Amino acid sequence: DAGVIQSPRHEVTEMGQEVTLRCKPISGHNSLFWYRQTMMRGLELLIYFNNNVPIDDSGMPEDRFSAKMPNASFSTLKIQPSEPRDSAVYFCASSAGTGVVKQYFGPGTRLTVT
Amino acid sequence: TQLLEQSPQFLSIQEGENLTVYCNSSSVFSSLQWYRQEPGEGPVLLVTVVTGGEVKKLKRLTFQFGDARKDSSLHITAAQPGDTGLYLCAGGKSNYQLIWGAGTKLIIKP
Repeated sequence: DAGVIQSPRHEVTEMGQEVTLRCKPISGHNSLFWYRQTMMRGLELLIYFNNNVPIDDSGMPEDRFSAKMPNASFSTLKIQPSEPRDSAVYFCASSAGTGVVKQYFGPGTRLTVT
Repeated sequence: TQLLEQSPQFLSIQEGENLTVYCNSSSVFSSLQWYRQEPGEGPVLLVTVVTGGEVKKLKRLTFQFGDARKDSSLHITAAQPGDTGLYLCAGGKSNYQLIWGAGTKLIIKP
């Protein structure tokens, strides 16, 4: 079975450009998480969806960040405009059921903003 | 602010040695998870402990949850190069929220 799929795997863009990261969760999973990982701050939860509905977006840094989940098999994280401090690895993870259960992480998107 | 402190941050040892990684907090967690992350990949869950004092073994890895559910440890016996990676602990706080440690980067030299 396919795991969580993320695209692109690497993205290099210039400051001010729009960046869209994509995620396909594991089929049947009803929870989806977007994380950001940096050396300085470690792994940070950006937003959590349950049954396609955003439940907790308190980790979204600012209005430049937005996330959508139009259906159970697709989610996007958009940064507009991007800034150098957004450079990080962005992970999408999905899980089944409720409670603190096993989260399955995608391979991540390494974003570099110059 | 809820913090989960991991120690050491970095550990480099020879194959065959034993090691322990610690995860400490002043907060109580409903559960504690340990993940391993390899370069270029996402974290992969190793174990979940939920009961104070619980001990779980996964081959050469032993995980323990503190009696008060505020701390945890990961002990590796006879470390092998394949154990190399970033080890992350994560404490469960709500029905979905995990509080993540900063990680321990482990290198096992052959």
